[in-house]
Amino acid sequence: DAGITQSPRHKVTETGTPVTLRCHQTENHRYMYWYRQDPGHGLRLIHYSYGVKDTDKGEVSDGYSVSRSKTEDFLLTLESATSSQTSVYFCAINDPGGTHTGELFFGEGSRLTVL
Amino acid sequence: GDSVTQMEGPVTLSEEAFLTINCTYTATGYPSLFWYVQYPGEGLQLLLKATKADDKGSNKGFEATYRKETTSFHLEKGSVQVSDSAVYFCALSDRYSGGGADGLTFGKGTHLIIQP
Repeated sequence: DAGITQSPRHKVTETGTPVTLRCHQTENHRYMYWYRQDPGHGLRLIHYSYGVKDTDKGEVSDGYSVSRSKTEDFLLTLESATSSQTSVYFCAINDPGGTHTGELFFGEGSRLTVL
Repeated sequence: GDSVTQMEGPVTLSEEAFLTINCTYTATGYPSLFWYVQYPGEGLQLLLKATKADDKGSNKGFEATYRKETTSFHLEKGSVQVSDSAVYFCALSDRYSGGGADGLTFGKGTHLIIQP
């Protein structure tokens, strides 16, 4: 099984502070993704990575940056958190079964509250 | 661009009832289609998938058929249980848009509540 670990799992922070969420995978997958989940919106793609130092923007990238300096780690940074970024954040990897269908495997999520 | 539309609910059913959750999509290419399930407090798990027209995905008593002519992928189960209570997401991967590597496009999710 593909292993994905997100940290922290829960975080409460104040408006204007920087926040970094970490996604760690153990299976050497090339593609990694960050989504946010909000009521009434489903899951929306923030950023994704297709290799070390190769990243691209998703649908809702404003206010977020990412970095991937190692294959196994994909970091999501909120430079100055706002209340609108209160959400549950999910990391995912692409095609864990090697079937090339576009299937994603998700981590357990990180719940962020910005006060 | 690609999009997925599904009923949001909540959908409330009695145990052993028949379930249908509608899902329709628009895509520029030839998408793969997925249903994911999210149990309370957990991440998303793949429930079933179909990669080409007329394929039927099935798992845990759930089924969905890829209908290209109606651009639909409705989820069905003949007899639901309390343990099926969860949020269900329909999603697509458009392999001709970014090669399928730019992630999935999700519907907004359907909250299903099964009462004993």
